[in-house]
Amino acid sequence: AQSVTQPDIHITVSEGASLELRCNYSYGATPYLFWYVQSPGQGLQLLLKYFSGDTLVQGIKGFEAEFKRSQSSFNLRKPSVHWSDAAEYFCAGVHGSGNTGKLIFGQGTTLQVKP
Amino acid sequence: NAGVTQTPKFRILKIGQSMTLQCTQDMNHNYMYWYRQDPGMGLKLIYYSVGAGITDKGEVPNGYNVSRSTTEDFPLRLELAAPSQTSVYFCASSYHGDNQPQHFGDGTRLSIL
Repeated sequence: AQSVTQPDIHITVSEGASLELRCNYSYGATPYLFWYVQSPGQGLQLLLKYFSGDTLVQGIKGFEAEFKRSQSSFNLRKPSVHWSDAAEYFCAGVHGSGNTGKLIFGQGTTLQVKP
Repeated sequence: NAGVTQTPKFRILKIGQSMTLQCTQDMNHNYMYWYRQDPGMGLKLIYYSVGAGITDKGEVPNGYNVSRSTTEDFPLRLELAAPSQTSVYFCASSYHGDNQPQHFGDGTRLSIL
């Protein structure tokens, strides 16, 4: 079955440190992949997306993600974390949905930033 | 542009009551979705619509109903509220299918007591 897995439920990093959030997918072929961020009490905001082509994609707020087919991964990175990055992060994918856009979400990773 | 607007933001229901969660978008998007979010579970798709008059079930449709009479509106109906439906509900929309990002509302926090 198709799935998206985020192995880390909770991550704590110090402000200014680098960040990597993991995402693994299980699809028969390359899915469309997304990273969303959710601040407390808010809806989800798109950070970046991967469809095809260049495997390193840039997003908003200084985030980037790298698609690695051999590892079935789409990890999110940021070189220097800011306190305002504390939030919940979701990886999501879609493939073979008959163009319905039905996303499958990972469980989410909560990011805490220490001052 | 307001984007995707959900009402109400909070609601407490008694077991067995019914209610409708409202969702409207002003982006002329064809596709609309309802998700529920439970702690540690990510978001699960309840129902979706690919255009006015067309709806279909998602992963967790039991206990819910939807309609799509206009492009803008996609209400979610709970007929007989149960404690298991305590959750945060998100509505989303996109222009069309798989290669378009979805835009989310701010959610409705629903408690069934």
